[in-house]
Amino acid sequence: DQQVKQNSPSLSVQEGRISILNCDYTNSMFDYFLWYKKYPAEGPTFLISISSIKDKNEDGRFTVFLNKSAKHLSLHIVPSQPGDSAVYFCAASFNQFYFGTGTSLTVIP
Amino acid sequence: EAGVAQSPRYKIIEKRQSVAFWCNPISGHATLYWYQQILGQGPKLLIQFQNNGVVDDSQLPKDRFSAERLKGVDSTLKIQPAKLEDSAVYLCASSLDERVGGRAGELFFGEGSRLTVL
Repeated sequence: DQQVKQNSPSLSVQEGRISILNCDYTNSMFDYFLWYKKYPAEGPTFLISISSIKDKNEDGRFTVFLNKSAKHLSLHIVPSQPGDSAVYFCAASFNQFYFGTGTSLTVIP
Repeated sequence: EAGVAQSPRYKIIEKRQSVAFWCNPISGHATLYWYQQILGQGPKLLIQFQNNGVVDDSQLPKDRFSAERLKGVDSTLKIQPAKLEDSAVYLCASSLDERVGGRAGELFFGEGSRLTVL
C-alpha cells in the first residue's frame, strides 16, 4: 500500500531553468511533509519541509508547495544547478515517515 | 557534529546465511530507525526505537529479522536466515525526538549498508 507516490521516476532539466518534482499522497492524516535528497552511495539528506497548516515554504532556491485538497506537494528548484542532480524523495509523516519511490533529477550544464 | 555511522558498508552473503548490521546514531538522538530500501523503491520502515523501547516494528519480518538497541544508543539489525529478497540497502536514521514542537523530528540518515544475497 503505497501511501506516498512519486509518479515520475526521472526528470531532466537544463541548468538555470526550473525543476519541478511532484508527489501525491493518500492519507489525510499526514501532518508533516519533507523532501530528502540522495546522492549515489550516500544516505538521504534532509532538504526542506512543510507543515500541513501551511501551503508554501521557501528556503533559498528551494520551495515546497502543499495542496491539501488535492493531496499533492511539489518541490521547485530555481535556478537548477548541476550539483542538484540527485534522487529526490518526498516523505510524509503521521506516526511514522512514509517515503515515495524517488525521482532522479539530472541537471544538464 | 558526527553523523549516523553504519557498518559494514557492503556485505555479500549466500541465502540462508546470517548477517548483522550496526548503527551508531547521532549523540543525544533519542529515536532510532531502521529502513529497508530495495532498488527502485523508497525507504520502508522496519523498526523504530525510542531510547531502549520499540515504538513500531509492525513491518519487521520477525521470523527472520531482529533488532535491538543497547542502552538506548547503538543498534544492531540481524537477518537470519537471509533470503534473496532481502537484497537491499539498510538505512539507519536517528532523530532528536519523535515529535519536536508538534512536528516530526527531522531524520538524519547514515550512508547505509548494502546487502546482496546470492
